[in-house]
Amino acid sequence: GQQVMQIPQYQHVQEGEDFTTYCNSSTTLSNIQWYKQRPGGHPVFLIQLVKSGEVKKQKRLTFQFGEAKKNSSLHITATQTTDVGTYFCAGPVGTSGTYKYIFGTGTRLKVLA
Amino acid sequence: GAGVSQSPSNKVTEKGKDVELRCDPISGHTALYWYRQSLGQGLEFLIYFQGNSAPDKSGLPSDRFSAERTGGSVSTLTIQRTQQEDSAVYLCASSLVGGSSTGELFFGEGSRLTVL
Repeated sequence: GQQVMQIPQYQHVQEGEDFTTYCNSSTTLSNIQWYKQRPGGHPVFLIQLVKSGEVKKQKRLTFQFGEAKKNSSLHITATQTTDVGTYFCAGPVGTSGTYKYIFGTGTRLKVLA
Repeated sequence: GAGVSQSPSNKVTEKGKDVELRCDPISGHTALYWYRQSLGQGLEFLIYFQGNSAPDKSGLPSDRFSAERTGGSVSTLTIQRTQQEDSAVYLCASSLVGGSSTGELFFGEGSRLTVL
């Protein structure tokens, strides 16, 4: 079936280092969303990318959608302890008229002060 | 309330009992999802409701699981004859529209189920 995979599964970085998580879909996606889940919390929407090759920035976060619309990345510059959490990508999978959002496996980020 | 509301927030039950988990989505949101998240794991899709369409039940792990959405609003997820492997956090999410470009999913705080 259609799958959305993320790598790495875990990442530990020193505060101030950069971090990147990669999302790969087995099928082309019409759009991709990114969410952040803080420890003990629920997923919170970060951004949606729609266009092939699209790049969006939110302060220290840079999101990219691949040209083939099958992969995406989230890059955090100069991580801070507030960046701790699990980052998920999500994409709509299904057939015309019947789509549902499937989440990637997630990347858990730990930032060491 | 302004957000997605789920109840109970915590439920401890004995193996073999039935449980009901409730989700009250944001008013006006037509799409409603249920996901399951085991400890330290990702979000496993369970079921999706979109307006008056038949729900997508393809993620329900067994016939012990069922869900309904009444009046296009409140949803109830029912687990019959609970097993220990059902222990997880059950997350509900809603969005304004459904389909392939649904916009932001708003999640509730989740219902943590523990089966002893």
